[in-house]
Amino acid sequence: KNQVEQSPQSLIILEGKNCTLQCNYTVSPFSNLRWYKQDTGRGPVSLTIMTFSENTKSNGRYTATLDADTKQSSLHITASQLSDSASYICVVSAVTSGTYKYIFGTGTRLKVLA
Amino acid sequence: KAGVTQTPRYLIKTRGQQVTLSCSPISGHRSVSWYQQTPGQGLQFLFEYFSETQRNKGNFPGRFSGRQFSNSRSEMNVSTLELGDSALYLCASSLVLGAGGITDTQYFGPGTRLTVL
Repeated sequence: KNQVEQSPQSLIILEGKNCTLQCNYTVSPFSNLRWYKQDTGRGPVSLTIMTFSENTKSNGRYTATLDADTKQSSLHITASQLSDSASYICVVSAVTSGTYKYIFGTGTRLKVLA
Repeated sequence: KAGVTQTPRYLIKTRGQQVTLSCSPISGHRSVSWYQQTPGQGLQFLFEYFSETQRNKGNFPGRFSGRQFSNSRSEMNVSTLELGDSALYLCASSLVLGAGGITDTQYFGPGTRLTVL
């Protein structure tokens, strides 16, 4: 069964600290993996997209890693800011015979405190 | 460049009614996808359109339908509304057809919050 699991469900950190969010998937056949940031009351914003051959992708203070062998991805946030408070969603795409589907994780809710 | 716009932003309907939601993609984007987001299920993929054709569909009943016009604008229709249809409906646009091996970026609109009473 295609699944995407994210951990932790929620996280509270102090401003300036680093944190790492996890995404484990059992999606096959794998096409790509995306991380989104969603502020409360807003639509998601794309942070990174990685294909099978990519191990690391950075977007400012956000760095995503992908291990296709263990089917794990992580999103590392460096020097967190109050504006990083949001939900972070991992999405894995599977492609079969030219059609594809998106499998979403339930997200990690991050709260950054001053 | 204007972002993805969705109308209306908020909507209240009663069970059994139908509703039409609208999405205007970023200028030049030809692919439009629709998603449903609820606290219990999270984000779920509804369907995707490219060049006025539905290219992909999620696991939703036939009460959920959509279409795309020649200017890439898209509408989503839900008939015979149920209480469980209460959700945030998000639209996303991208330059090209999403996911299938192509790394594209999807830009989401603010969503339409539908409440079914």
